[in-house]
Amino acid sequence: NAGVMQNPRHLVRRRGQEARLRCSPMKGHSHVYWYRQLPEEGLKFMVYLQKENIIDESGMPKERFSAEFPKEGPSILRIQQVVRGDSAAYFCASSPTGVYGYTFGSGTRLTVV
Amino acid sequence: ELKVEQNPLFLSMQEGKNYTIYCNYSTTSDRLYWYRQDPGKSLESLFVLLSNGAVKQEGRLMASLDTKARLSTLHITAAVHDLSATYFCFLIGQGAGGTSYGKLTFGQGTILTVHP
Repeated sequence: NAGVMQNPRHLVRRRGQEARLRCSPMKGHSHVYWYRQLPEEGLKFMVYLQKENIIDESGMPKERFSAEFPKEGPSILRIQQVVRGDSAAYFCASSPTGVYGYTFGSGTRLTVV
Repeated sequence: ELKVEQNPLFLSMQEGKNYTIYCNYSTTSDRLYWYRQDPGKSLESLFVLLSNGAVKQEGRLMASLDTKARLSTLHITAAVHDLSATYFCFLIGQGAGGTSYGKLTFGQGTILTVHP
């Protein structure tokens, strides 16, 4: 089992471009979460998804950010028209049930220049 | 809203010394987690504490939970350089209707540096 796979590991975007971050959960895990980590801070919840459904997106900024977890393929976190303040590490976690067994990916470090 | 506070935020220790990291939280929660993060890496599970008075130990690390005081501690015994990392405590939050799920609320993290 390869664990939670995130790609790319590092992503550089110019202001105004789009960033697409991918997360493949562990085999058998149908619950996916996205968290954002700013330098020297803890992780902040963004969105919780199950296959084809957004369960809780209360941590997502209202504009420019969207997430999906399609029936087939990885979960995608999409940031449109990126700004410098979007620079952060974005972590994905998966769980088999939603209440325990959280496994985190290695993160995508987004830098907006 | 659940809030989680860790202290200290920065901890510089000499090898061989003991120290404790504290994790306070504001509301009742089902379980408390301690994870470790190495620079540029992901988070690795250390402990899950499920009930009042729970104590778990792994090597030089021991975690405990006091749900009445809403406090967890991570005690480091005879620190070694390999323990240098950032340590996070976090708890599971409450979703709609009071159901607990993976909306985890994190402490700020404690950056531990162990010196020779």
